[in-house]
Amino acid sequence: GQNIDQPTEMTATEGAIVQINCTYQTSGFNGLFWYQQHAGEAPTFLSYNVLDGLEEKGRFSSFLSRSKGYSYLLLKELQMKDSASYLCAVSGASGGSYIPTFGRGTSLIVHP
Amino acid sequence: GAGVSQSPSNKVTEKGKDVELRCDPISGHTALYWYRQSLGQGLEFLIYFQGNSAPDKSGLPSDRFSAERTGGSVSTLTIQRTQQEDSAVYLCASSAKDRAGDGYTFGSGTRLTVV
Repeated sequence: GQNIDQPTEMTATEGAIVQINCTYQTSGFNGLFWYQQHAGEAPTFLSYNVLDGLEEKGRFSSFLSRSKGYSYLLLKELQMKDSASYLCAVSGASGGSYIPTFGRGTSLIVHP
Repeated sequence: GAGVSQSPSNKVTEKGKDVELRCDPISGHTALYWYRQSLGQGLEFLIYFQGNSAPDKSGLPSDRFSAERTGGSVSTLTIQRTQQEDSAVYLCASSAKDRAGDGYTFGSGTRLTVV
C-alpha cells in the first residue's frame, strides 16, 4: 500500500517563499503529483515528477527524491490567492494498475 | 466535453435511500477514478476504470457501493441504503492513458448529505 505524510497546516507572509514537504512510502512508483484545492472546489493539477530533481513552473517548483521517498512543493512570491490546501499524491501500484493515493493535504494560510 | 462533469452538484437524501451519482469524463480519457472527501480529510480512493478492463474496486468501503462505466465513457456510482457516514463530497477524475504528466482532471464533485 501507500502512505503519504505532509504537514497539516502552514502559514506564510505575502511575497515570501514557502516549502511544503511530502514523504511517502509506496509499493511501485509511477510519479508524484501536487494539487491545489481551494475551499469548496475541486483539486487542480499543479505538477508532476517521475524522475529525481526539480521541475519549475512559474512561481511553483516541485522536487523529487525517489531514494528518500521525499518531495517538496516550493511556492515563491506568495500571493493571498495562494491560500489553499496543497495535496501530495503518489501513483503507486495496485494490482496491475497505478492508482494515485492522496495525502491529507497541507492547509496554507497566506497573510498580509 | 471540455472538462469532467458531475451531477448532481448537491444531493440530500434520507438515510436508507439509494443514490446515483454521475460522472462524464473528458472525451478520449480512458482512465476514470472515483474518490470521496469527508470534511477535513484527504481524498479516499473508491474505484478505478481503465478502458474495457475490469475495474479496480479495492477502495469501495462496503458492498453498498457499486459503480459502472458504460461504453467506456460515463460512469455512475451507486450507494444503496445510504448511511450518515456516507455524507461526503464524491469526486470523479479522468486521465489519458500514457499521459501521466498531464495529471488527473477532477470534476467539481457531488456533495452528498444523508439526513
